Amino acid sequence: EAQVTQNPRYLITVTGKKLTVTCSQNMNHEYMSWYRQDPGLGLRQIYYSMNVEVTDKGDVPEGYKVSRKEKRNFPLILESPSPNQTSLYFCASSFAEDQPQHFGDGTRLSIL
Amino acid sequence: EDQVTQSPEALRLQEGESSSLNCSYTVSGLRGLFWYRQDPGKGPEFLFTLYSAGEEKEKERLKATLTKKESFLHITAPKPEDSATYLCAVPPSGGTSYGKLTFGQGTILTVHP
Repeated sequence: EAQVTQNPRYLITVTGKKLTVTCSQNMNHEYMSWYRQDPGLGLRQIYYSMNVEVTDKGDVPEGYKVSRKEKRNFPLILESPSPNQTSLYFCASSFAEDQPQHFGDGTRLSIL
Repeated sequence: EDQVTQSPEALRLQEGESSSLNCSYTVSGLRGLFWYRQDPGKGPEFLFTLYSAGEEKEKERLKATLTKKESFLHITAPKPEDSATYLCAVPPSGGTSYGKLTFGQGTILTVHP
């Protein structure tokens, strides 16, 4: 089954404790992206990747890091999480940036 | 920079009451327009892609249309299970939008039985 898999689905943690949200896709997609979704603000792009080893900032990259060492994986790293990063996060992938994206089921992060 | 605006923010319908959602866009060169459906707590689910003015796509009770400035999602005789947030988005048209998909804020549709 074609899918984008995110882990964990839910996480409650504390300020400053490094965390990684994993994302994996099995569709051989070139393009991958991370979004956060907050009430009243809609979906905002954090980082995206056009291909392996090619990443770039989206609209809200501050406080986040990403890497793309393999085509299928695109982890999101919060080096020193803060409460304002409490949000619902989505990973997405597509064949190219002008093709419709497939989304994961989301990761709900709470930073205390 | 690409911009997408959806209206209304929320729409409440009675079962069977047809209506339309609007998505207005401003891009330097349209490379497509996507419609998604999002259920609470879940990722957006792809519905349609439209590429050129005059194009229409249909799926069950939904029909998406496209003009040079906006897209409409028509819902015919909706059912309660059509309740969701509907999002439209445009792929990057270049310049400062390079690589970035632009989403509208979404329309929250509620269909009452």
